[in-house]
Amino acid sequence: KQEVTQIPAALSVPEGENLVLNCSFTDSAIYNLQWFRQDPGKGLTSLLLIQSSQREQTSGRLNASLDKSSGRSTLYIAASQPGDSATYLCAVGGSNYQLIWGAGTKLIIKP
Amino acid sequence: DADVTQTPRNRITKTGKRIMLECSQTKGHDRMYWYRQDPGLGLRLIYYSFDVKDINKGEISDGYSVSRQAQAKFSLSLESAIPNQTALYFCATSVAGGYNEQFFGPGTRLTVL
Repeated sequence: KQEVTQIPAALSVPEGENLVLNCSFTDSAIYNLQWFRQDPGKGLTSLLLIQSSQREQTSGRLNASLDKSSGRSTLYIAASQPGDSATYLCAVGGSNYQLIWGAGTKLIIKP
Repeated sequence: DADVTQTPRNRITKTGKRIMLECSQTKGHDRMYWYRQDPGLGLRLIYYSFDVKDINKGEISDGYSVSRQAQAKFSLSLESAIPNQTALYFCATSVAGGYNEQFFGPGTRLTVL
């Protein structure tokens, strides 16, 4: 059974720092991996989608990488801003088109 | 206007009551999903529907039922609510075919007393 883990559960960094969020999964037979942002009261916003054949995706200050063989993905945030404060979730696409989710990393960017 | 809407946004109810959560979308997507989120846990899939006539159980369907009234509408019902169904519920949509990006509604916070 696929399990997705995100460590740490919470992270606090000063504004301006570059940072990396981690996501690991136990079964490398995934179809894709998505990173989401969750803001209280606003639902989830898809940030990046990496297909299983891809190694990375970039959007603005965000870069997500995927290493299926090691069961790992990272989300790199450059030049962090207070507006980046949110909970970041990763989810892997498994069988039957279902997503298996990590519990998230709560990120706080201190001004 | 939001592409995926959920009503109500917040609901407090009592044990044993029947509750319906509604989801509507204007994205024209065929696939719709219901998830629940508990504190400290990832989202878990309750039910999903690939079209109006195709409804499937997810990981945690016990105690829940769904209805896909139209392409744009997907409702989740708790026939007899119990306290451990207190959670944040999300509806999501995606286009048909393969593994595609999912788009989420704002969530419904349900409390069962």
